[in-house]
Amino acid sequence: EVQLVESGGGLVQPGRSMKLSCAASGFTFSNYGMAWVRQAPTKGLEWVATISYDGSSTYYRDSVKGRFTISRDNAKSTLYLQMNSLRSEDTATYYCTRDPYYGYDYAWYFDYWGQGVMVTVSS
Amino acid sequence: DTVLTQSPALAVSPGERVTISCRASESVSTGMHWYQQKPGQQPKLLIYGASNLESGVPARFSGSGSGTDFTLTIDPVEADDTATYFCQQSWNDPNTFGAGTKLELK
Repeated sequence: EVQLVESGGGLVQPGRSMKLSCAASGFTFSNYGMAWVRQAPTKGLEWVATISYDGSSTYYRDSVKGRFTISRDNAKSTLYLQMNSLRSEDTATYYCTRDPYYGYDYAWYFDYWGQGVMVTVSS
Repeated sequence: DTVLTQSPALAVSPGERVTISCRASESVSTGMHWYQQKPGQQPKLLIYGASNLESGVPARFSGSGSGTDFTLTIDPVEADDTATYFCQQSWNDPNTFGAGTKLELK
């Protein structure tokens, strides 16, 4: 059974940093691209970042470029999101997701989602 | 960015057929996908590539459309289908989601 378990969320002040983690199990993590998708309170969904199966390629939405870094440790089957210079508009539940395409290709949709972790940016 | 427009809410009775629409501001070919999100839960993939049923999803769910107009159909609707349904396009960069349609059962 595929499982994605996020951790590391909480309350953080504007301008500060936070790092999210996602522990994956139930599939060969190193074969798949992974992504973070967020959902602001009572709002819709927004893609944040994607990383290739081997970590060599990364993609970001414009509003987080230069502030967020997606990375992975295939030996630990773990996905990360380092978030710097946080803003109030980054307040959201962050979901760890899997891109269903195998290897060096992307579907750009998401077949498995974690339960999500809440990040609140407020003074 | 490609804007996806969905009706905000629908109310139907169990056993009825419901269609949820999603209109794209520009063509997305068949790069349209549908998710179900129940309160307090993560989204779940229902349909990918406009009309392909994700494994394990009941055949009551189906998707259709291409270009700019897409439909998710549930037939028949069951009480457990109470949820918000989101469309997502992956044809244009960046991929984008609709605001969601909240389905309520009468």
